[in-house]
Amino acid sequence: SQQGEEDPQALSIQEGENATMNCSYKTSINNLQWYRQNSGRGLVHLILIRSNEREKHSGRLRVTLDTSKKSSSLLITASRAADTASYFCARSMDSNYQLIWGAGTKLIIKP
Amino acid sequence: DGGITQSPKYLFRKEGQNVTLSCEQNLNHDAMYWYRQDPGQGLRLIYYSQIVNDFQKGDIAEGYSVSREKKESFPLTVTSAQKNPTAFYLCASSIFPPPGTGTSNQPQHFGDGTRLSIL
Repeated sequence: SQQGEEDPQALSIQEGENATMNCSYKTSINNLQWYRQNSGRGLVHLILIRSNEREKHSGRLRVTLDTSKKSSSLLITASRAADTASYFCARSMDSNYQLIWGAGTKLIIKP
Repeated sequence: DGGITQSPKYLFRKEGQNVTLSCEQNLNHDAMYWYRQDPGQGLRLIYYSQIVNDFQKGDIAEGYSVSREKKESFPLTVTSAQKNPTAFYLCASSIFPPPGTGTSNQPQHFGDGTRLSIL
C-alpha cells in the first residue's frame, strides 16, 4: 500500500499532557503535511514540512521529519479539550499531484 | 470570509439513482479535489482538476463523474454504477503552484463534507 502508517490508531490522555503521533512511509517524499479533523467536519491544515527540513513549529505544535527513517511525528504540548480530533499525515511525492493519506490517529483529551 | 462550501450536508440515494454533490469555493484556487472517506480510514482521491475544463481520475474514479465548467465550482456525480456509495465525501482546493513545484506541495483547504447514504 502507498498509504502512510500512523500510530497509535487511538490515543487518550489527560488535559495538560503532551500528545505524540507518528507517521511512517515507504517511498521518498517531496513534503509531508499534517491535518486535523474534528468529528463530522472537514480537514484543517496544520503544518507542512519539506523533505529538506527536520523540524517545524506552530504554536503548541511541533513536527519533526526523519527522512532516513522515513517517519514524521506530531507533538501537541499542553493538550486542551479542544484538541480532541483525528490527526492525519499526508505525503506528496515528486512524480504526481496527489497526496497520499494515512488512516489517522484519533486523539481524545480527557478533562 | 473565503472558504469552500459543500452541499447538501446529508444526502440519501435510492437504488439506481444518480446524485450530485455540490462544491463551491471563493478562494480563487485553481486546483480542486474530491475525496471519499470511509470510517476509520484515510482519504482516497476520486477526481482532481487543476484548471477549468480539465480533470483527472484519482485512485477510485469508477462510478463517479465530475465537471469543471467554472473555476469556483467542481460538482461530483455519484452514478448508479457506484455500488457502495455510502461514505463521507470531502471537497478540497489548493493554490496552483509555480512551475516545477507540483500542486501537491500546497496545503489543501477543505469543505465540511457531504454524508451520503443508501435508502
